[in-house]
Amino acid sequence: AQSVTQLDSHVSVSEGTPVLLRCNYSSSYSPSLFWYVQHPNKGLQLLLKYTSAATLVKGINGFEAEFKKSETSFHLTKPSAHMSDAAEYFCVVSLYNQGGKLIFGQGTELSVKP
Amino acid sequence: DTAVSQTPKYLVTQMGNDKSIKCEQNLGHDTMYWYKQDSKKFLKIMFSYNNKELIINETVPNRFSPKSPDKAHLNLHINSLELGDSAVYFCASSPSGGPVSQYFGPGTRLLVL
Repeated sequence: AQSVTQLDSHVSVSEGTPVLLRCNYSSSYSPSLFWYVQHPNKGLQLLLKYTSAATLVKGINGFEAEFKKSETSFHLTKPSAHMSDAAEYFCVVSLYNQGGKLIFGQGTELSVKP
Repeated sequence: DTAVSQTPKYLVTQMGNDKSIKCEQNLGHDTMYWYKQDSKKFLKIMFSYNNKELIINETVPNRFSPKSPDKAHLNLHINSLELGDSAVYFCASSPSGGPVSQYFGPGTRLLVL
């Protein structure tokens, strides 16, 4: 069965320091993986996606993620956090053989301190 | 121009009532979805339609009935509302039903009293 596990429910960083949000996946197939962000009381916005092209994926707002098959990981990083990055982040796997059904991780809440 | 829109944004109602949530997308996508986000922010798919045809139907009580009058609209009707139905409901759309990016609406916050 395909699934994703976000290893931290809450991450707190200071503004200007690096961000690391961890995600491990489980998939029988070559997975399609996504990171979505949800700001308070808002909908979900796509940050980036991996679909078996380059393993290092660049997204919006300076975020990037690296697909590591040997570690079954897809961690999200950003070199320097900004206050506006404070939000809930979801790692997501798409089920290729089930009509694009998305399976969401539990979410990681990112707090950014001034 | 809003890509995926939902109405209403907020819905407060009594147990036992029937309510509908509407979703429209102007992206020209073929596939639309409904997701439920619970109080712990966990998101789970409920339904998916491709060109007005139901393709994903998760284990959802049959009090929930999606309706797609055309491929740009996917509405969600809920009968006999229960306290446990309180959640945020998100509509989404994508170009196809494969592993492509989905575009989400702003959500409808449903509170059942």
